[in-house]
Order: sequence, then structure tokens, then C-alpha cells
Amino acid sequence: GESVGLHLPTLSVQEGDNSIINCAYSNSASDYFIWYKQESGKGPQFIIDIRSNMDKRQGQRVTVLLNKTVKHLSLQIAATQPGDSAVYFCAEKNRGDMRFGAGTRLTVKP
Amino acid sequence: GAGVSQTPSNKVTEKGKYVELRCDPISGHTALYWYRQSLGQGPEFLIYFQGTGAADDSGLPNDRFFAVRPEGSVSTLKIQRTERGDSAVYLCASSQQGGTEAFFGQGTRLTVV
Repeated sequence: GESVGLHLPTLSVQEGDNSIINCAYSNSASDYFIWYKQESGKGPQFIIDIRSNMDKRQGQRVTVLLNKTVKHLSLQIAATQPGDSAVYFCAEKNRGDMRFGAGTRLTVKP
Repeated sequence: GAGVSQTPSNKVTEKGKYVELRCDPISGHTALYWYRQSLGQGPEFLIYFQGTGAADDSGLPNDRFFAVRPEGSVSTLKIQRTERGDSAVYLCASSQQGGTEAFFGQGTRLTVV
């Protein structure tokens, strides 16, 4: 069936560097694509979303890029900080229904 | 303000028993989601409510799982004849109608022994 997935299960970066987390999706009918951050023992927390008719959206220190041609989504985190260490999930939303991928664990080295 | 509240936070039950997991969404949120998350995995979709009705229950794994939201606010996930494979963290989330930001509770860790 249709699914949301991720290219890499783990990512380790140096504090202050930029991080790029990738996601592949297969459901072209999704209305929105969303990034969530999950810290240990907590529920996922919304970071940023992008509507399917856009290709870029910027937030505070984060940018999401959507490439519909190759069905690829990425999250860029600028000047990564230790507090950014967490598991990051992409999710796709289709008429309210929201499905998640497997996640990427980001580790920030001091 | 209050976020999404899930009770209990932990539940240990014997194989074959019945359990109920409760979710109190943010007041006014019409959309409510249930997910199941195993260690090292992403949240697995179970069911999505819009108001009182289940808009999509295609993620419920079998007929032992059932969820209700009778008044369009609090929801209860019910699991009959629990099996060890049901052990996981059960997450609930709510959002405004048409909104993309879903707010998650801390989850209920269910352990079936």
C-alpha cells in the first residue's frame, strides 16, 4: 500500500553544523507533508508543515523542501544544537488522515 | 492551557484480559487520532475521528480493537483478549478541524504479560 518512509535511520552531526533529514513518500494525493520531532519518553511534537502545492517553506532555523517530481521531502535544520537531538518523523496528511514514516534519529555531538 | 491527556500512563495486564485506554483531547479539537508505537518504530496509525464518528478505522489491526468517541471529545481505545504482541505505547493526538498541527499526549505504555 501507499507509505511514507525515510532514507536514513540515523544521522550524527557536529553542534553548529546544518542537518538534513530526508523522507520519501508514495502517495501523490496527500494534501500536506509534516515534520515531527520526538524526544525520549514524549509524544511527537509538530515542527513544520508544507502544503502539497508548495516546494519550500521556512520556519525558525528549519526549512522543509518538497520535490514532487521524485516524491521527496527534506527537513533542513540550521546551526544544529544539542537540544535538536531526537527522532524525526515525516508524516503525510490526506483529508485529515495522517500517516507516519519510520523516523531518523538525529544525534548532535558537542 | 491543558494539552492532550492520556490515562493511565502505564498499564500492565495479563494476557487475555480486557483494557481501556483513555484520551482527553484539547478542548474544541474535532479531530482525534490513535496510534501505536513500538520501540524504534514510527507511530502506526490505528483510527481517526472527526467529531463523534470514525472517519477512518482502517488501521485497527483486528476485531479485538475498538475505539469510541461518543460525545466528540474524550475517546476510549478498547482492546479485548489482549496478547503479548499488543504491548506498545499507545499515542493519542488531537487537532483543529482542517488543521495540520496535531498535539500528542504522552502516551500509555501497555505491557501484556
